[in-house]
Amino acid sequence: SQKIEQNSEALNIQEGKTATLTCNYTNYSPAYLQWYRQDPGRGPVFLLLIRENEKEKRKERLKVTFDTTLKQSLFHITASQPADSATYLCALGGSTLGRLYFGRGTQLTVWP
Amino acid sequence: GAGVSQSPRYKVAKRGQDVALRCDPISGHVSLFWYQQALGQGPEFLTYFQNEAQLDKSGLPSDRFFAERPEGSVSTLKIQRTQQEDSAVYLCASSLRVGGRAGIDTQYFGPGTRLTVL
Repeated sequence: SQKIEQNSEALNIQEGKTATLTCNYTNYSPAYLQWYRQDPGRGPVFLLLIRENEKEKRKERLKVTFDTTLKQSLFHITASQPADSATYLCALGGSTLGRLYFGRGTQLTVWP
Repeated sequence: GAGVSQSPRYKVAKRGQDVALRCDPISGHVSLFWYQQALGQGPEFLTYFQNEAQLDKSGLPSDRFFAERPEGSVSTLKIQRTQQEDSAVYLCASSLRVGGRAGIDTQYFGPGTRLTVL
């Protein structure tokens, strides 16, 4: 069965620095990969999607890369702010009917 | 417009009780998903509806779990004879179209129902 690993359970960085989160997967060939943000007591919120034939996507301070050879995605938040503190989930997609396979998430804390 | 809503937000049940969790998807959304999220874990797929048809229930952990979406809008997830291992947050998500390799569509999640079984 597919396995998804996010680099660490927690990441702490200083405000203004770039946060880099890693998502590795095995036993699956996703058609696309998504990143979600989840705050305590709330459902995940979609951030970015990258397709299997794309190398990089950007949205404001966010950047996602996707390497299907390494089976890895990197998620970057530049000029991080305390408001970016949350859990970030990667999700693999492309199976029939659109079900997603989620990693366990990385809890990011940005301190002033 | 309104997002996905779920009720109740919190549910405490005694072991052996039956519970029913409700999901109101975004109006007009064809696809509806249920996920289970244990503490410190990512969401795990339970079941999928396309309109009123339940097309995938491969993630339901046991026959105590039952889901329906009779009119293609509101959905209910029912858990019979609850066990302590059922304690989790149950998330509902909807998307406008049918996703998968044929097409990609964003899933919009509700806030979840936190179920605690004592």
